[in-house]
Amino acid sequence: AQSVTQLDSQVPVFEEAPVELRCNYSSSVSVYLFWYVQYPNQGLQLLLKYLSGSTLVKGINGFEAEFNKSQTSFHLRKPSVHISDTAEYFCAVSSASKIIFGSGTRLSIRP
Amino acid sequence: EAQVTQNPRYLITVTGKKLTVTCSQNMNHEYMSWYRQDPGLGLRQIYYSMNVEVTDKGDVPEGYKVSRKEKRNFPLILESPSPNQTSLYFCASSLRDGVYGYTFGSGTRLTVV
Repeated sequence: AQSVTQLDSQVPVFEEAPVELRCNYSSSVSVYLFWYVQYPNQGLQLLLKYLSGSTLVKGINGFEAEFNKSQTSFHLRKPSVHISDTAEYFCAVSSASKIIFGSGTRLSIRP
Repeated sequence: EAQVTQNPRYLITVTGKKLTVTCSQNMNHEYMSWYRQDPGLGLRQIYYSMNVEVTDKGDVPEGYKVSRKEKRNFPLILESPSPNQTSLYFCASSLRDGVYGYTFGSGTRLTVV
């Protein structure tokens, strides 16, 4: 069975500071990994995905994530956040037609 | 524009009154899915469909029905809504079982009183 754990439900950070949102997963088979972003009153948008190849994945809006197979992690990072990054972020794991989402991390940016 | 369209965006109904939330995609995607989002629980899959006339239960299917008579449409039916189905619902589609990432609709906020 697969599972996804987002370790922080909320992450407050100052504008222009770096941020890391943590995601750990468990699965007995190979997986694909995703980060989605949900802005207030909107649906989810795909931020980035890891299917295979380079473990460092770059996405939209300056975000990147690193797949670490030994630690079963897929943490999301941005070197300098902006007020417009205020949103909820979801990590997701998929394999064999099954996709599981984490419980989400709410990123709040302080000016 | 490639998109998933859900209607309505907001709905307040009474317990037991049948309702349908529509979902339509214009990307010729084979895979479609319904999720509900509740605070602290993330997104939980209700039903999914691999193609026309092929549907299967997700993690929380109780109290819901779906149908996939056409490739583009995947309505969610609540035959007898109850207050515990008050939630934010999302429809999503994908080229193939979510591997390439989902396109989500804007959501339907349902309140059952």
